[in-house]
Amino acid sequence: AQKVTQAQTEISVVEKEDVTLDCVYETRDTTYYLFWYKQPPSGELVFLIRRNSFDEQNEISGRYSWNFQKSTSSFNFTITASQVVDSAVYFCALRGLNRDDKIIFGKGTRLHILP
Amino acid sequence: DTGVSQDPRHKITKRGQNVTFRCDPISEHNRLYWYRQTLGQGPEFLTYFQNEAQLEKSRLLSDRFSAERPKGSFSTLEIQRTEQGDSAMYLCASSPARTSSYNEQFFGPGTRLTVL
Repeated sequence: AQKVTQAQTEISVVEKEDVTLDCVYETRDTTYYLFWYKQPPSGELVFLIRRNSFDEQNEISGRYSWNFQKSTSSFNFTITASQVVDSAVYFCALRGLNRDDKIIFGKGTRLHILP
Repeated sequence: DTGVSQDPRHKITKRGQNVTFRCDPISEHNRLYWYRQTLGQGPEFLTYFQNEAQLEKSRLLSDRFSAERPKGSFSTLEIQRTEQGDSAMYLCASSPARTSSYNEQFFGPGTRLTVL
């Protein structure tokens, strides 16, 4: 079975602090994709990143960085120097290569950035 | 605008009424997906189409739910005899179906349903 666990339901940090959102996944597929999405209060899903299971290189995009550890089945997301505009719900998600493309989402972590 | 569109964006209805949502995928995208997101949860897969064929339905899709994609373009999701538990955001996504490369899913803005 495929499963994504985001143990942190809600996190609050003060602006400019760094924050890490945890994601642990389960899958029997050897090839799979991992994602992070942002959902601001308006409700739309904003795609942030996709990683292939064969590519364990960490990635940095501006203030965002992702740490993919296949050995621990984790795909954590760090926001550096957080800003109030980062306040949103963040979803980690998983998709197998041959499972008709449906995406399995975690329950999300609600992030509050306090001014 | 060439993204996935959904209509309406918001729907308020009384329990027992029928509602229908529409999703227009990105042009020429063969695959169309419906997801449901209840409060405090992540989106959950409901069903998907390849062209006009409905290829998979989740157990979440009760008999009161029906989805169609008659011409392989737009899709409708109908809920009959709505219940308060149907209150959720209904998200549509589309993707191409190329076999030789990754098929990105593009999400629409969603239809937020409130059942009173």
